[in-house]
Amino acid sequence: DAKTTQPPSMDCAEGRAANLPCNHSTISGNEYVYWYRQIHSQGPQYIIHGLKNNETNEMASLIITEDRKSSTLILPHATLRDTAVYYCIVIPFGGSNYKLTFGKGTLLTVNP
Amino acid sequence: DGGITQSPKYLFRKEGQNVTLSCEQNLNHDAMYWYRQDPGQGLRLIYYSQIVNDFQKGDIAEGYSVSREKKESFPLTVTSAQKNPTAFYLCASSPRDQGGLSYYEQYFGPGTRLTVT
Repeated sequence: DAKTTQPPSMDCAEGRAANLPCNHSTISGNEYVYWYRQIHSQGPQYIIHGLKNNETNEMASLIITEDRKSSTLILPHATLRDTAVYYCIVIPFGGSNYKLTFGKGTLLTVNP
Repeated sequence: DGGITQSPKYLFRKEGQNVTLSCEQNLNHDAMYWYRQDPGQGLRLIYYSQIVNDFQKGDIAEGYSVSREKKESFPLTVTSAQKNPTAFYLCASSPRDQGGLSYYEQYFGPGTRLTVT
């Protein structure tokens, strides 16, 4: 499976857009990009996933570069409740081990 | 509201006792999972179940047991054979297969923090 690289921490002002980058330069053609987050002392929360087209849902937008070597998760109007560790992971289509394996992620701190 | 519930939030036990952690979901999901998370560590898969009356071991199943008698419920028993049971336990569920992808869209409960002394 492709490895991902994320900055260890980022800050964002409340109300502004938070743009979280992820590098996955060894991604294969059948691998999807998933994003999760984990607020302190809570269970992880699924955010969004995509293959090559940009995706948007009620929580966030996912922008994947044309070469698919990197992606950006965008929280359009960050709130204090968005302070969490954000994980970018790559999963192959048809994968059968069913487990989620998170790296160290990015600690996003939203400041008032 | 649809979701996953885990109870209790905090649990304390003496060494040598078995303890059962509850996990219930009303999302109508076929697949359910148990993970363990230690401080500053990532998730480690204990057991998973794709369908009622069937379950498979994950990476760290030793010292744990599960059952899946109902679609909504997937209780985890931490036995006295588990050498380091103190941890944060997370239950998750996911929709059934759409070519394998949907298994990775997992929805987590709030977790149970187990302390064994």
